[in-house]
Amino acid sequence: AQSVAQPEDQVNVAEGNPLTVKCTYSVSGNPYLFWYVQYPNRGLQFLLKYITGDNLVKGSYGFEAEFNKSQTSFHLKKPSALVSDSALYFCAVSRYGQNFVFGPGTRLSVLP
Amino acid sequence: DADVTQTPRNRITKTGKRIMLECSQTKGHDRMYWYRQDPGLGLQLIYYSFDVKDINKGEISDGYSVSRQAQAKFSLSLESAIPNQTALYFCATSGGSAETQYFGPGTRLLVL
Repeated sequence: AQSVAQPEDQVNVAEGNPLTVKCTYSVSGNPYLFWYVQYPNRGLQFLLKYITGDNLVKGSYGFEAEFNKSQTSFHLKKPSALVSDSALYFCAVSRYGQNFVFGPGTRLSVLP
Repeated sequence: DADVTQTPRNRITKTGKRIMLECSQTKGHDRMYWYRQDPGLGLQLIYYSFDVKDINKGEISDGYSVSRQAQAKFSLSLESAIPNQTALYFCATSGGSAETQYFGPGTRLLVL
């Protein structure tokens, strides 16, 4: 069975500093990995995904994530955080695109 | 995403009542999903459907049922609501196995 861990409930970062939101996963076979963002009173919005190919994936709003197979990780990164990046971030994994499993979410606060 | 709509957006009901949450999509996707979100637990899959004739239970289907009336419509029913079904419910769609999921705005349900 698939599982996703997001070890930090909350991440605080100063505006302009780099940010990292961590995600580790467990799945048999090749994973499909996703990051979504949720703003208050909104549904989840897609940021980026890894299916195959280059381990560094670039997505929306300047975010990127690196797939590390040996560490079973897919950390979300951004070189320079904005206050508007403050939101709830979810990592998700699926096996061959079926049975998506979401992590518990990490709340990112970017301080001005 | 405006292509995925959910009704109602908010609902208060009493224990034992039957309620239905509706989801419609204009993206032309075959796959549709129902999730519930609870604080600190991320999203949990209730049911999913890969086409009109294909309905599958997710990880927390007990107490819920679904109906796929058409490619564009997927309804979630609580036959006899109970307080621990108080949550935020999301519908999502996707176009295939490696496809991004697109989420509706959510329905906030309170069961008294």
